[in-house]
Amino acid sequence: GDSVTQMEGPVTLSEEAFLTINCTYTATGYPSLFWYVQYPGEGLQLLLKATKADDKGSNKGFEATYRKETTSFHLEKGSVQVSDSAVYFCALSGAGRRALTFGSGTRLQVQP
Amino acid sequence: GAGVSQTPSNKVTEKGKYVELRCDPISGHTALYWYRQSLGQGPEFLIYFQGTGAADDSGLPNDRFFAVRPEGSVSTLKIQRTERGDSAVYLCASSLRPGTGEGEQYFGPGTRLTVT
Repeated sequence: GDSVTQMEGPVTLSEEAFLTINCTYTATGYPSLFWYVQYPGEGLQLLLKATKADDKGSNKGFEATYRKETTSFHLEKGSVQVSDSAVYFCALSGAGRRALTFGSGTRLQVQP
Repeated sequence: GAGVSQTPSNKVTEKGKYVELRCDPISGHTALYWYRQSLGQGPEFLIYFQGTGAADDSGLPNDRFFAVRPEGSVSTLKIQRTERGDSAVYLCASSLRPGTGEGEQYFGPGTRLTVT
């Protein structure tokens, strides 16, 4: 079945540091790929998405590129802020399915 | 506008009891999803409704779990004979037109279920 693997946290960075959170997936066909974020005390929110190979999703300074050849969708940000501290989830929806399959989440802590 | 709402926000019940969890989707959203999130894990899919019917219930773990959406809006997740392993946060999401550019799933705040 479909699965998502993402790097374990917590990831602790200083403000303005470069962020990478790795995500790889296993799926048949061509899934859609997502990054969701959960800020402290809040619900899950869609951060960005990509629906086909080589697409780049971007939002709030975050980017991720759908790499079919490496089955990856790594999340990057050039300069993190304290307000980016949250749990980040990589997810996919398999071809023909509407349900999301999530990774286990990566907690990011940004220190001033 | 109003987002997805879930009630109650917290539910504590004894092992063996029956519980109902409610989800109010965003008005006009045709699709509704239930997920379960255990501590330190990502959400796991349970069931997906398109309108009133369950289009995909492949994630329901066993026959103690059941969900309904009789009028195509509000949904209730029902758990019979609860077990301690059912303790988790139950998340509901809705989307306008799944499988399209308006298929984004909007999540509610969740119901934290604790089975003692």
